Amino acid sequence: QKEVEQNSGPLSVPEGAIASLNCTYSDRGSQSFFWYRQYSGKSPELIMSIYSNGDKEDGRFTAQLNKASQYVSLLIRDSQPSDSATYLCAVRTGNNRKLIWGLGTSLAVNP
Amino acid sequence: GAGVSQSPSNKVTEKGKDVELRCDPISGHTALYWYRQSLGQGLEFLIYFQGNSAPDKSGLPSDRFSAERTGGSVSTLTIQRTQQEDSAVYLCASSLGDINTGELFFGEGSRLTVL
Repeated sequence: QKEVEQNSGPLSVPEGAIASLNCTYSDRGSQSFFWYRQYSGKSPELIMSIYSNGDKEDGRFTAQLNKASQYVSLLIRDSQPSDSATYLCAVRTGNNRKLIWGLGTSLAVNP
Repeated sequence: GAGVSQSPSNKVTEKGKDVELRCDPISGHTALYWYRQSLGQGLEFLIYFQGNSAPDKSGLPSDRFSAERTGGSVSTLTIQRTQQEDSAVYLCASSLGDINTGELFFGEGSRLTVL
C-alpha cells in the first residue's frame, strides 16, 4: 500500500458543480495534511492545510479530515474552468515526520 | 526577494556534463527542499535542509547528485556526469521550518534537458 494515495483521474465536472477530491494515507500517526494545486507547466502552490478532524473552509474550498478512516478530502464549490489543474495531497507522517506526496488528481472543469 | 528564486529556468546539456542548479529561498525560511518532477509524474523528494542540522539526503538517486546550502540560505544542487534519465524539472521549495509544517513555497523550477 502506498503511503498517500489519490485517484489519478481525470475527474471531470461541469462548471458550477462541486468537485470532490479524495486522499487516503497509511500512517495512522500522521498529524498534518495539505492540498496543493499545480497548473500544467507550473509549480505546486498550497491551497489548504488541515490539522484537526473535521472541516476547514476557505472561500470555495473545504478540506475535510477524518483521522479514524485515514482520509482527507478537498471540496471545491462552484467549480470554475480556472480550477482545472492537478491537485496534490501531502501528508506529514507521524513516524519519521517526512512529508509524503500523493501522485495527484487531475481535475477538468468544463464550461 | 518575495518568493523562491531558481536559476537557470532552463538548462540544456550534453550527456556526461556537470550541471549546477541554484535556489534562493524566501528570506527567513529555515527549511529548504529539492524535488524532481518528470513529465506527467509526481514529486520525487531529493534532499531536505533544516537550519544547521545535517541534511536528509535519503532521496538522492545516486552519488552523482549532491547539494549544499551555504549560510543557511542559498542552495546549489549539483549533478555530475549527467545522464538522459536526469532530464526533469527540478523544484526547490522553502518553508518556515519546524518539522511540523508542510506549508511549502515552491520556486518556478529549473527544467533540465540532457541530450
